[in-house]
Amino acid sequence: NAGVTQTPKFQVLKTGQSMTLQCAQDMNHEYMSWYRQDPGMGLRLIHYSVGAGITDQGEVPNGYNVSRSTTEDFPLRLLSAAPSQTSVYFCASRSGLGVQYFGPGTRLTVT
Amino acid sequence: AQSVAQPEDQVNVAEGNPLTVKCTYSVSGNPYLFWYVQYPNRGLQFLLKYITGDNLVKGSYGFEAEFNKSQTSFHLKKPSALVSDSALYFCAVRDRDTDKLIFGTGTRLQVFP
Repeated sequence: NAGVTQTPKFQVLKTGQSMTLQCAQDMNHEYMSWYRQDPGMGLRLIHYSVGAGITDQGEVPNGYNVSRSTTEDFPLRLLSAAPSQTSVYFCASRSGLGVQYFGPGTRLTVT
Repeated sequence: AQSVAQPEDQVNVAEGNPLTVKCTYSVSGNPYLFWYVQYPNRGLQFLLKYITGDNLVKGSYGFEAEFNKSQTSFHLKKPSALVSDSALYFCAVRDRDTDKLIFGTGTRLQVFP
């Protein structure tokens, strides 16, 4: 079991560029989510999905899109990167018992 | 709205001493509460959870947490701290209305040799 995997680990973007952060899980979990982590702010929910074909917004969805075409994959798209999106991004999937499993994170810098 | 608060940004403790990392919550109804740990440059790892039952919950790496309904607290504890316990600790509550997991701002635990 690889658990939750994320790519890339690091990324530098220029303002206005777009990119996709990849997330995959092999635990057959229905619930997946994306968080961003900023100093002093804990983890904030960006988007989440309760199953293939279903997504919804979290606390801070602006500037991000998601889709869920399969149970395994939940990519996060930055449409037009801004310096305010400099952060560490974590993908997670949740088991039926409510335990959330996190990926290793993607450190994104927008210049 | 459901929320958790971690009142301490940092907790310092000497190795071998007991440690406590504090968490208080605000929920309607019975809470689902969690503790996670984050080591440097890593994702969060699950430590323990309280759903129902015994107020003292045992988790990974010798950690435990005490659920106190009257004080709306869920403090993380360990009888004897290790230097390797130094990390960032997050308390979280599952919002029963939205099914989202809401995190506190985190407490950095520093264990000194």
